[in-house]
Amino acid sequence: QQQVKQSPQSLIVQKGGISIINCAYENTAFDYFPWYQQFPGKGPALLIAIRPDVSEKKEGRFTISFNKSAKQFSLHIMDSQPGDSATYFCAASIRGGSARQLTFGSGTQLTVLP
Amino acid sequence: DVKVTQSSRYLVKRTGEKVFLECVQDMDHENMFWYRQDPGLGLRLIYFSYDVKMKEKGDIPEGYSVSREKKERFSLILESASTNQTSMYLCASYQSGRPETQYFGPGTRLLVL
Repeated sequence: QQQVKQSPQSLIVQKGGISIINCAYENTAFDYFPWYQQFPGKGPALLIAIRPDVSEKKEGRFTISFNKSAKQFSLHIMDSQPGDSATYFCAASIRGGSARQLTFGSGTQLTVLP
Repeated sequence: DVKVTQSSRYLVKRTGEKVFLECVQDMDHENMFWYRQDPGLGLRLIYFSYDVKMKEKGDIPEGYSVSREKKERFSLILESASTNQTSMYLCASYQSGRPETQYFGPGTRLLVL
């Protein structure tokens, strides 16, 4: 019930194209959905996050779309650039308890071709 | 600039050795976490701590222990390293009530021979 399923495992996009990564969850108690970006040799870094009271959040070229009824959320990268090539992780967490724990998806390796 | 630092970037240990991985954060964060990252499995939570001397098990605590004697420092201990503990280990921290402040360290790549 704590799983977050992420797809695709890898994605190749041409420069200027749109990259789309999808995640699905089961636990309806999740109330915070961040996306992390990880470059080789670095730890993940928070990219953008959404809470379930909104259906979309946009920051620059990055947009999260959230479908509460389908229990799905996705990351859209518009005008993808070679510098966006990285591994992307979705995550979800629940409020409450001693600390908020994140449950991560399995990751998507994005390659943007020049 | 916020910082989560980890004591080693690369470690090579022998089976059965005791291994210490250290993490230090300079942001006065209450919550600290240890994850391991394996290809195709994402990040899995090993242990976390919400205060000094407090700890809780994550999803995969078997074979690991932790110590938090000071607020800024969180140590992961492999009591007797095994080859299936070869992995990338990531430390993270965030301020209570503000998960958007979660920062990760650069990771320690551990190889157990």
